[in-house]
Amino acid sequence: EDQVTQSPEALRLQEGESSSLNCSYTVSGLRGLFWYRQDPGKGPEFLFTLYSAGEEKEKERLKATLTKKESFLHITAPKPEDSATYLCAVQAAGGFKTIFGAGTRLFVKA
Amino acid sequence: EAQVTQNPRYLITVTGKKLTVTCSQNMNHEYMSWYRQDPGLGLRQIYYSMNVEVTDKGDVPEGYKVSRKEKRNFPLILESPSPNQTSLYFCASSYQTGHGNTEAFFGQGTRLTVV
Repeated sequence: EDQVTQSPEALRLQEGESSSLNCSYTVSGLRGLFWYRQDPGKGPEFLFTLYSAGEEKEKERLKATLTKKESFLHITAPKPEDSATYLCAVQAAGGFKTIFGAGTRLFVKA
Repeated sequence: EAQVTQNPRYLITVTGKKLTVTCSQNMNHEYMSWYRQDPGLGLRQIYYSMNVEVTDKGDVPEGYKVSRKEKRNFPLILESPSPNQTSLYFCASSYQTGHGNTEAFFGQGTRLTVV
């Protein structure tokens, strides 16, 4: 069964303290892996798409990487405005379902 | 402005009273889908559609219906709502390519309470 697991469930950082969020996936062939950011009471907002192992993408303080079993979202020198829930989703080859992980809630304290 | 519009934003209804949540996108996207979001469970896909008149079940389709008669609209129908369908619902749309789907644009959400 296709599955996506995100860890940790919650992460508290001081401003400037870099860290990483993990997304482990089990799918029968990966069509694409997506990272989204969700603020309270709002719909998810797209961050990155990764298609193949070894691929990396960057945007401001965020960098996403992909291996054959997991993806990491690295946050460098976070600021309080980076506080949000970060969601990982995958689409498996052979189908068009999208499977989301439960998310990581990030809190960044000034 | 590119957007996905859901209506209503908030809805309180009674068990068994049929309801429809509308979703419309203005980006000419082929792929549209519905999700429900519950605490601790993340987003779970209910139904998706790859184009007009083409729909398929996600992971939690029981108790829901959808239709895709026009490319821009993808309504979610609850024919006989029950309290376990109380949730936050999101509609999303994206392009469909040979790789799969591009990033999804999400609506603002519909908070549904069934009493």
